[in-house]
Amino acid sequence: DVKVTQSSRYLVKRTGEKVFLECVQDMDHENMFWYRQDPGLGLRLIYFSYDVKMKEKGDIPEGYSVSREKKERFSLILESASTNQTSMYLCASSLRLASGYNEQFFGPGTRLTVL
Amino acid sequence: SQELEQSPQSLIVQEGKNLTINCTSSKTLYGLYWYKQKYGEGLIFLMMLQKGGEEKSHEKITAKLDEKKQQSSLHITASQPSHAGTYLCGADKDTGNQFYFGTGTSLTVIP
Repeated sequence: DVKVTQSSRYLVKRTGEKVFLECVQDMDHENMFWYRQDPGLGLRLIYFSYDVKMKEKGDIPEGYSVSREKKERFSLILESASTNQTSMYLCASSLRLASGYNEQFFGPGTRLTVL
Repeated sequence: SQELEQSPQSLIVQEGKNLTINCTSSKTLYGLYWYKQKYGEGLIFLMMLQKGGEEKSHEKITAKLDEKKQQSSLHITASQPSHAGTYLCGADKDTGNQFYFGTGTSLTVIP
């Protein structure tokens, strides 16, 4: 079974703090993704990475950065957390296929609250 | 940008009833995926559809993709409380390797 794990299920931080969310997958997937999920807005892609040290902006990258130093690990960084970044954060991974037909496997999510 | 519209937004049904959730795109879909999410948890993959007219079933859940590949439906037969959760459709972007997601349909099944 593919496993995607996230470092925390729940996290509470203060405004201005630097926040690290970690994601690890064990299936040697090339692609990794960070989404945030908010009521009424669905899942929105923040960043994705298709290889080590490679990254591309998604739909809402502002206020976030990412790091992929190893194939299995993809980190999301909030440089200076703000209250509007309170959300559910979901990590996913998938194989990189030429046809694009590929299933994404999701982690359990991290519910972040910024006070 | 490609958008996926899901309907209804929420659904409350009595246990044992059948129900259908729809996912509609303004563009031709390259691949359509159905996921289920329990509250506060990650997404669990249900089914993937690629070809126009394709239909797949797993236990009491059936998903179909229309011939034009612009609309998919998810049908649950004889619903049970274990079916409760949020159902999301996702589709491959035409650039590949990225998804669009619908906003989800919240399903409540009353025992």
